[in-house]
Amino acid sequence: EVQLLGSGGGLIQPGGSLRLSCTASGFTFSDYAMSWVRQSPGKGLEWVSSISGSGGSTYYADSVKGRFTISRDDSKNTLYVQMIGLRAEDTAVYYCAKDIGYSTFYYFDFWGQGTPVTVSS
Amino acid sequence: QSVLTQPPSASGTPGQRVTISCSGSSSNVGGNTVNWYQQVPGRAPKLFIHTNNQRPSGVPDRFSGSKSGTSASLGISGLQSEDEADYYCAAWDDSLNGWVFGGGTKLTVL
Repeated sequence: EVQLLGSGGGLIQPGGSLRLSCTASGFTFSDYAMSWVRQSPGKGLEWVSSISGSGGSTYYADSVKGRFTISRDDSKNTLYVQMIGLRAEDTAVYYCAKDIGYSTFYYFDFWGQGTPVTVSS
Repeated sequence: QSVLTQPPSASGTPGQRVTISCSGSSSNVGGNTVNWYQQVPGRAPKLFIHTNNQRPSGVPDRFSGSKSGTSASLGISGLQSEDEADYYCAAWDDSLNGWVFGGGTKLTVL
């Protein structure tokens, strides 16, 4: 059974940093591209970042470019997103999602349960 | 403002058929496949239609997807109360080099 378990969220002050993790099980993690998608309170889904199966290609939404860094550790079956310079508008539930592709992105066949991040003083 | 345009709401009575539209451009819907996700409030999204019209196993055949040009649609026939949820379309955007989503459509079963 595929599972994606997110962690690392919480309350952080504006300008602060946070690293979210997503630990995968039930599939060969290194064979698939992964992504982060977020959802602000009462709003729709917003793509944040994606990484290829090799980790060699990364993609970012303009809203987080230069502030967020996606990475993966295949030895730990874990996806990360390092977030710096956090703003109130980054407040959201962050979902990790598995793609069916490796270097090309097709669709998200599994999603994590979501990790809440609140940016507030 | 979402890159893909969906109606904010849709509704129908049990047994009816409803359609949810998703409009984009040549760099996303027009040039790539469209996927649909269902999200029950408080839960993670779930894949419901992929590659324009393919249903993952476990998704009832009452759900269907189609695409023509820069528009796509999700059809739900024989509406049931359990279909109440938010539905999002998504596609890869070649200009933005990333995923784009619709704003979501809240489906209400009256």
